[in-house]
Amino acid sequence: GAVVSQHPSRVICKSGTSVKIECRSLDFQATTMFWYRQFPKQSLMLMATSNEGSKATYEQGVEKDKFLINHASLTLSTLTVTSAHPEDSSFYICSLRGQGHTGELFFGEGSRLTVL
Amino acid sequence: LAKTTQPISMDSYEGQEVNITCSHNNIATNDYITWYQQFPSQGPRFIIQGYKTKVTNEVASLFIPADRKSSTLSLPRVSLSDTAVYYCLVGDAANQGGKLIFGQGTELSVKP
Repeated sequence: GAVVSQHPSRVICKSGTSVKIECRSLDFQATTMFWYRQFPKQSLMLMATSNEGSKATYEQGVEKDKFLINHASLTLSTLTVTSAHPEDSSFYICSLRGQGHTGELFFGEGSRLTVL
Repeated sequence: LAKTTQPISMDSYEGQEVNITCSHNNIATNDYITWYQQFPSQGPRFIIQGYKTKVTNEVASLFIPADRKSSTLSLPRVSLSDTAVYYCLVGDAANQGGKLIFGQGTELSVKP
């Protein structure tokens, strides 16, 4: 199965700064990756679909200028939280779908963002 | 996208069998049913997937009735380490660019 590596696992930043989270596919080339956000005691919420070489597709209500997604290569997608505020504190998780007929999701370890 | 409904929480004791049912009334013909497990502060991980009837692997079984409008994840002889949130997802397995939406999940608590 695919291995997805996410970095950093934890980050603490001051309000107003920008934070970049990296998601790497270690096993195969991924043309599509997905970014989820999860608040405490809640389910995962899909933020956007990252497409290699093209613009990301954002879910309704997600600000594309706030959450910048770049998928410049087939093994790397990045999420940048710009001008972070305390309400952006959350658990961010990237994923990709496996190859073959099962299409199961493989997830990164997640990144815990705390904005002071 | 097919919406899923699960019980919010379940309690069990070590050694018992746990069955978690998920409803997906508007499942499409090409959709597969996949279950994931999530521990706190970790990404979810794949448990089992099926299309119809019964599927079994080393950790769980998945029962899907003929109408496919629901599915039941069965965990045999649970242990404390099975305490986690379980999600069922429904989606077209062949569409690797297709997004998958999480429902609320079921928080399973296993007690000694």
